[in-house]
Amino acid sequence: KAGVTQTPRYLIKTRGQQVTLSCSPISGHRSVSWYQQTPGQGLQFLFEYFSETQRNKGNFPGRFSGRQFSNSRSEMNVSTLELGDSALYLCASSLTQSPYGYTFGSGTRLTVV
Amino acid sequence: GQQVMQIPQYQHVQEGEDFTTYCNSSTTLSNIQWYKQRPGGHPVFLIQLVKSGEVKKQKRLTFQFGEAKKNSSLHITATQTTDVGTYFCAPSNTGNQFYFGTGTSLTVIP
Repeated sequence: KAGVTQTPRYLIKTRGQQVTLSCSPISGHRSVSWYQQTPGQGLQFLFEYFSETQRNKGNFPGRFSGRQFSNSRSEMNVSTLELGDSALYLCASSLTQSPYGYTFGSGTRLTVV
Repeated sequence: GQQVMQIPQYQHVQEGEDFTTYCNSSTTLSNIQWYKQRPGGHPVFLIQLVKSGEVKKQKRLTFQFGEAKKNSSLHITATQTTDVGTYFCAPSNTGNQFYFGTGTSLTVIP
């Protein structure tokens, strides 16, 4: 079956702009989580969606938001981009409380200039 | 999020040597998962441990969950260049994994 698909793979944006990233989970997976990965901070949890509802949220400012659609596809949005938002954004899908872990997408590499 | 210490942060080994990374939590966990991320890649799920004192093996990899369910380790016997990458633990006290350890970056010198 198809894996987790993230689009776009690469993105360059200017400070102050906003960006929307997309994630299509594995078919049948209803839980989608988002992570920010930077060399200095590791994998930082952004938020988790299940059945179109945000169930958990990490410690990020309100500029970071997300949503999930009825087909489980998810988007995350970052408004008023800052240089420090440059990172690899990873989406992961899973069955709830899965013993099989998360399946990650290849990520979106965002560069803010 | 949970307080999770993963050590060491970096490890360089000669090919053929053993390698161990440790994940220590300040709270009792319900389970812990381990992931591997190759350079330039994304994290890939390796295993989940649930029971106190549990030991699981995958070929040259041995995973342990502490008796108190507050720590875990991943041991690789006779490392190979294919083992290069960053190993993350993902502990949970709710059954859902959201927070990852800081990771141990393994370099294997041929």
